[in-house]
Amino acid sequence: NAGVTQTPKFQVLKTGQSMTLQCAQDMNHNSMYWYRQDPGMGLRLIYYSASEGTTDKGEVPNGYNVSRLNKREFSLRLESAAPSQTSVYFCASSWEMNTEAFFGQGTRLTVV
Amino acid sequence: SQKIEQNSEALNIQEGKTATLTCNYTNYSPAYLQWYRQDPGRGPVFLLLIRENEKEKRKERLKVTFDTTLKQSLFHITASQPADSATYLCALVPGGSYIPTFGRGTSLIVHP
Repeated sequence: NAGVTQTPKFQVLKTGQSMTLQCAQDMNHNSMYWYRQDPGMGLRLIYYSASEGTTDKGEVPNGYNVSRLNKREFSLRLESAAPSQTSVYFCASSWEMNTEAFFGQGTRLTVV
Repeated sequence: SQKIEQNSEALNIQEGKTATLTCNYTNYSPAYLQWYRQDPGRGPVFLLLIRENEKEKRKERLKVTFDTTLKQSLFHITASQPADSATYLCALVPGGSYIPTFGRGTSLIVHP
């Protein structure tokens, strides 16, 4: 089993460009999450999807949109990238919201 | 405001000793608390979960305690090894929403 797979692993964007981060899980989990991790700030929740068909804002949703495409896939879109969005992005999934999460390997995004 | 505190300074210990990491919180009523391990350049990996009505949980060389009166969780690694060197994150999960919030993590360095 691959677990949680994120693509791409690295990306450099110019300010104002858009991109979509892809995430897929093969564990039949109901809940999925997007986090960003910055030095000294820890993991901060951007958006989450408690179950297929639902999405909700987390702690830092501004500048992002998400789509729960199906039970397996949860994408994160940056419509107009800003340098403040330079970060490492992690996708995670869990059986339910109150169970342990499994994380992908991360996407390192740099906005110049 | 809600706050989770983990020691920002790295914990340095000698191989074979017990490592103890602390997670303190304020203005939370967590239903349970999770501990994760994160290696450089990798996503967090789940280690242990402890519920609010549990005082202690063990798994092999790992032990977690949860004191809701002190608003504190302690994470112990006995007979530590250099391979235990990593950053350890605690995550609080409130009842109801079950939206996890992570601490910033503590770096553990085990010296041979």
